[in-house]
Amino acid sequence: DIRMTQSPASLSASLGETVNIECLASEDIYSDLAWYQQKPGKSPQLLIYNANSLQNGVPSRFSGSGSGTQYSLKINSLQSEDVATYFCQQYNNYPYTFGAGTKLELK
Amino acid sequence: QVTLKESGPGILQPSQTLSLTCTFSGFSLSTYGMGVGWIRQPSGKGLEWLANIWWDDDKYYNPSLKNRLTISKDTSNNQAFLKITNVDTADTATYYCARIRLQWFDYWGQGVMVTVSS
Repeated sequence: DIRMTQSPASLSASLGETVNIECLASEDIYSDLAWYQQKPGKSPQLLIYNANSLQNGVPSRFSGSGSGTQYSLKINSLQSEDVATYFCQQYNNYPYTFGAGTKLELK
Repeated sequence: QVTLKESGPGILQPSQTLSLTCTFSGFSLSTYGMGVGWIRQPSGKGLEWLANIWWDDDKYYNPSLKNRLTISKDTSNNQAFLKITNVDTADTATYYCARIRLQWFDYWGQGVMVTVSS
C-alpha cells in the first residue's frame, strides 16, 4: 500500500495568513493526488484533483502543487470559513489511501 | 445537481452483516467513467477507503478488510450497495458514499453512522 504522510498534524494560523500543508507519498504517485476539506460534523469536500487542478466552485485562494512523492496544499489569505481538517488522498494505485489529516484552527 | 445519500441499520451486533445503501441522483452509473466509492471514518479519526464500483461493473476492494466486503449496484434505480460481513466494534464509524469522476471523489454523501455493539 502507498503510505501518505501528512504534516503538520495540526496548525494554528491568523486570519489573512498563508498556510501550507504537506503530503509525502511513500512512492511516486505521478500527481494522482486529491485534497479534501472536512468541516466539523460535515462530509469531506473536494478542493483539488490531479495535484493542482481546482475543483469547480472552490475559492482561488486554495492551490495545490507538487510531483513525484511530494505535494502541498496552499491557502492564501486565510478566512474564518477555512477552519477545517484537510486530507490528501492518492488514487494512483489501489488501495486508495488517505493522509491522516491536518487540523487547521484560527490563532 | 449531484446528490448522494447513505442509509443503513444504525446499530448492529458483532458477527452480523452490515448492509449499506447509497441512493444518488444527478448522474448515472451506466455513464462511461463514472463510479461510486465507499469510505468510512471512525469518530475523530481519519478516512479509510473501502471499495469502488465502476460503470462497467468493475470492482475494487481494500485488501485490509480481506474478503468481508461486497459492493454492487442497481443502475436502473440509481443505487449502490456495500455489505460488510462479520462486523465487530472496529467497524463502528460513519460510512460515506461518494461519486468518482475519473479517479477522485468529487461529490460525497452526508454519511451514515453505524455502531457495532453487543
